Amino acid sequence: DSGVTQTPKHLITATGQRVTLRCSPRSGDLSVYWYQQSLDQGLQFLIQYYNGEERAKGNILERFSAQQFPDLHSELNLSSLELGDSALYFCASSVFGESSNEQFFGPGTRLTVL
Amino acid sequence: GENVEQHPSTLSVQEGDSAVIKCTYSDSASNYFPWYKQELGKGPQLIIDIRSNVGEKKDQRIAVTLNKTAKHFSLHITETQPEDSAVYFCAANDQAGTALIFGKGTTLSVSS
Repeated sequence: DSGVTQTPKHLITATGQRVTLRCSPRSGDLSVYWYQQSLDQGLQFLIQYYNGEERAKGNILERFSAQQFPDLHSELNLSSLELGDSALYFCASSVFGESSNEQFFGPGTRLTVL
Repeated sequence: GENVEQHPSTLSVQEGDSAVIKCTYSDSASNYFPWYKQELGKGPQLIIDIRSNVGEKKDQRIAVTLNKTAKHFSLHITETQPEDSAVYFCAANDQAGTALIFGKGTTLSVSS
């Protein structure tokens, strides 16, 4: 158990809908990263927050957004969902914001868009 | 941007044999190289990492080597056991130092 929690574990929804994925980092970690894992693209970095502020953006679509709250938990919002958004979504946390810090992954949320 | 190539994509070994997975990276500014193990239905688990100021690191049956000149790093697992069966990912941090770029993964199967 990494200490990173994610809810829900599974999410099934329809095209065009909006969903929110939630992540709580390990105790003491200030940084949260979101990744998307699909069979064809592998693990892709989406976005990073550090102590409430957006720090870096990766291959995140404009339909996706995220935020980190004062208690350091983070939410990833996915809107106007398409079939291709079906994937595993992981969050990871680290103590600080540099990518040379160890990142610990949560168990993931499996999103299925029908 | 950074690109990480990983091979082989699949690896089958007999219990007790050694397994080696290799990765190459493109960005000479990368200085952190973690390895993750992902079991079915679970999130990636950090198993070992190495930084650019070190050439080799060991942790029991697992070792990682880094060749900065050639820009490649490898994971070595000795005395493999069936519970080592999983997907292994290498990664390197990107030029901006903010994100990890992952290889495509290696599915390791250890048969008893």
